[in-house]
Amino acid sequence: GQNIDQPTEMTATEGAIVQINCTYQTSGFNGLFWYQQHAGEAPTFLSYNVLDGLEEKGRFSSFLSRSKGYSYLLLKELQMKDSASYLCAVRLNTGFQKLVFGTGTRLLVSP
Amino acid sequence: ETGVTQTPRHLVMGMTNKKSLKCEQHLGHNAMYWYKQSAKKPLELMFVYSLEERVENNSVPSRFSPECPNSSHLFLHLHTLQPEDSALYLCASSQDSQGGDEQFFGPGTRLTVL
Repeated sequence: GQNIDQPTEMTATEGAIVQINCTYQTSGFNGLFWYQQHAGEAPTFLSYNVLDGLEEKGRFSSFLSRSKGYSYLLLKELQMKDSASYLCAVRLNTGFQKLVFGTGTRLLVSP
Repeated sequence: ETGVTQTPRHLVMGMTNKKSLKCEQHLGHNAMYWYKQSAKKPLELMFVYSLEERVENNSVPSRFSPECPNSSHLFLHLHTLQPEDSALYLCASSQDSQGGDEQFFGPGTRLTVL
């Protein structure tokens, strides 16, 4: 089976840094995505890692360690608008884009 | 319009009704997807279409019937649903079904089955 674990909820304050972890145990691996989903809205793409290491994109960075089955999303200089759910998704080794999602981490940013 | 659109945004139906969800993408993509998002559960892939051909049916009950008449449109036909089918149904598209391109999601249809 496929197993992707993320914390259910996290809280942080404006201006701080927060790290959201994701561990996975899947039958096959062909990349890991992070999506952001505000309440009642569509998930939007944040990052994609297929090789080990850190990918930086503005205030957001994502890290992958394939040998450990581990990824994290790092959010810097938090803003109130960053309050949302963050979804970790693993792409499996199928002939097409089959994504398996975690349940998401709800991040609450307070003033 | 741009991106991925879905209609209706909200739908309430009885167990004996037949209804359809519509998805349209304006991104020139070749792959389209249906997902189900239930409360406190992960996003769950239902169907994948690549160039209008279904490439995946993720063990979805037959009361859900997808249709992809062209690469821009995707439908989900619903009949004799159960209350546990109440969920947010999300459509997504990507450039193709095999690459590492991100999927672009629509806003979803919030379905309630009475």
